[in-house]
Amino acid sequence: DTGVSQDPRHKITKRGQNVTFRCDPISEHNRLYWYRQTLGQGPEFLTYFQNEAQLEKSRLLSDRFSAERPKGSFSTLEIQRTEQGDSAMYLCASSPPTRDVFSYNEQFFGPGTRLTVL
Amino acid sequence: AQSVSQHNHHVILSEAASLELGCNYSYGGTVNLFWYVQYPGQHLQLLLKYFSGDPLVKGIKGFEAEFIKSKFSFNLRKPSVQWSDTAEYFCAVNTGGFKTIFGAGTRLFVKA
Repeated sequence: DTGVSQDPRHKITKRGQNVTFRCDPISEHNRLYWYRQTLGQGPEFLTYFQNEAQLEKSRLLSDRFSAERPKGSFSTLEIQRTEQGDSAMYLCASSPPTRDVFSYNEQFFGPGTRLTVL
Repeated sequence: AQSVSQHNHHVILSEAASLELGCNYSYGGTVNLFWYVQYPGQHLQLLLKYFSGDPLVKGIKGFEAEFIKSKFSFNLRKPSVQWSDTAEYFCAVNTGGFKTIFGAGTRLFVKA
């Protein structure tokens, strides 16, 4: 399967614990996005990487959330001191390079990681 | 703030009925527009997109959408739905930059 992969697919944790999710984008896709989706809502943008650089981060993202893409390939999203309100599906998507940095392209989504905070 | 509104949260149709799902966005400048679909148990996938040119765009599986700039709309249509079209449909807008805004989604159920 050469699509976007995410690990784990499900995570159950207790409030206050830290969790880390991994995303492997489609190879040669230099753009990587993280989204959060709650029941009855569409995906909500969290952050964006172009290669290893984190170029945009939602103002809704609290300081407990951090994302990295150290070598411009896979990415991790960490949530520290989880709260029940963090329960959601966390989606990763990737896009291929474009002619210029401001051009846009479709995104290819992974299956998501469903987080439940007890 | 930019936003995307999808008019119906749930739609139930019989097979062969025509489909139109509404999508409106709030932004006055240039936009890139998308419809994504999520079939039961599957990932979100692109159905169709509009970047520029002909405002009537055709996507996969017989879907099409029309961009009407004056109405800030990008409605999705299909003349005759099938049971296999049962899915959740998301309208999305990119206004330049890296952020894409999604609507809340419309769940379509097609009765066989």
